[in-house]
Amino acid sequence: AQSVSQHNHHVILSEAASLELGCNYSYGGTVNLFWYVQYPGQHLQLLLKYFSGDPLVKGIKGFEAEFIKSKFSFNLRKPSVQWSDTAEYFCAVNGKAGTALIFGKGTTLSVSS
Amino acid sequence: DGGITQSPKYLFRKEGQNVTLSCEQNLNHDAMYWYRQDPGQGLRLIYYSQIVNDFQKGDIAEGYSVSREKKESFPLTVTSAQKNPTAFYLCASSASGASYNEQFFGPGTRLTVL
Repeated sequence: AQSVSQHNHHVILSEAASLELGCNYSYGGTVNLFWYVQYPGQHLQLLLKYFSGDPLVKGIKGFEAEFIKSKFSFNLRKPSVQWSDTAEYFCAVNGKAGTALIFGKGTTLSVSS
Repeated sequence: DGGITQSPKYLFRKEGQNVTLSCEQNLNHDAMYWYRQDPGQGLRLIYYSQIVNDFQKGDIAEGYSVSREKKESFPLTVTSAQKNPTAFYLCASSASGASYNEQFFGPGTRLTVL
């Protein structure tokens, strides 16, 4: 069965610090990988996704993620965080067409100004 | 504007009562999903539907039921059999069941059982 593991439950950073959130998945076949973000009081929205091609994908608001197949990882990065990045971040995987996304438990990011 | 609407935003229910959460989308999406979000648990799949008149159980379907009579609507009923129904419920849709399709989410309904 597919599963997703997010290593950090709560990350606290100061503005301008660099961010890396870990995500590992378990699935032996071809996968499609997603990072979603939930800002306080807002809808869950897509940050970025990978389904083929360049393993380094860029998303909205300066976020990027790297798919490393050998490590079953899809870590999210941002070189310099802002206070407005305070949110909950979810990694998700979908390996099989016709099935739904499997989400990790989420990482809460708190950025202090 | 295209999107997903969920109603109501807040819902209170007495123990032993069934309650139905509404989800409507005008994105012309084929697939729709219901998730439950609890603190520290992420999103867990309750039910999903790839086409009208068809749906599948997710990981935590016990105590829930759904219907998909129309493409744009996917209501979720929380029955009295659900042991711990207090949670935040999210509805989502995607263009199709293809695994690369992103899901679009509604604003959610917070259900509290009194």
